[in-house]
Amino acid sequence: DQQVKQNSPSLSVQEGRISILNCDYTNSMFDYFLWYKKYPAEGPTFLISISSIKDKNEDGRFTVFLNKSAKHLSLHIVPSQPGDSAVYFCAGSNFGNEKLTFGTGTRLTIIP
Amino acid sequence: DTEVTQTPKHLVMGMTNKKSLKCEQHMGHRAMYWYKQKAKKPPELMFVYSYEKLSINESVPSRFSPECPNSSLLNLHLHALQPEDSALYLCASTTPGFYNEQFFGPGTRLTVL
Repeated sequence: DQQVKQNSPSLSVQEGRISILNCDYTNSMFDYFLWYKKYPAEGPTFLISISSIKDKNEDGRFTVFLNKSAKHLSLHIVPSQPGDSAVYFCAGSNFGNEKLTFGTGTRLTIIP
Repeated sequence: DTEVTQTPKHLVMGMTNKKSLKCEQHMGHRAMYWYKQKAKKPPELMFVYSYEKLSINESVPSRFSPECPNSSLLNLHLHALQPEDSALYLCASTTPGFYNEQFFGPGTRLTVL
């Protein structure tokens, strides 16, 4: 049972444009969500998170939006840069639970 | 120090070998994790240690044996592995019970022949 889904395995975006990565979840118990970025042969790096009491969180070029009723979150990167090319994982969690449940990942390629 | 280190970076072992993976962090985190990641798949949780006690074992085969000697170190002992166990093994740490991101190490690329 895939509790966190990223339905787009890959995405290509022109440099300077907006990248939008999507994530859907089924577990209503999740109340905290995170985005990680992963380069090949490296561990995932934390990017940004959002609590379920918010619907938006912004950090520089990165903004995460949460739609609880739709059980959907998205990561916006603007402007996209070549160094943003990586695999992006969203993950869900809930308070008191040390587990993160990861989505399947989206490979983002920024075209110069 | 905001780093999780893992050694070795690469490991090749035969199915009869015994080897260990090591993970270290000095961020004062009291929760440490082992994940396994296959190509084009998300990280798959194996074990969680919280305050040096094993709190989660995701039904991992006994040929993988975790150990947490102290709050900064985490080992994964490997014995009689199968070729399908070849993967990237990731260690992570965080503060238990809070909404904190997990910090990941670079991983050990394991190949079982």
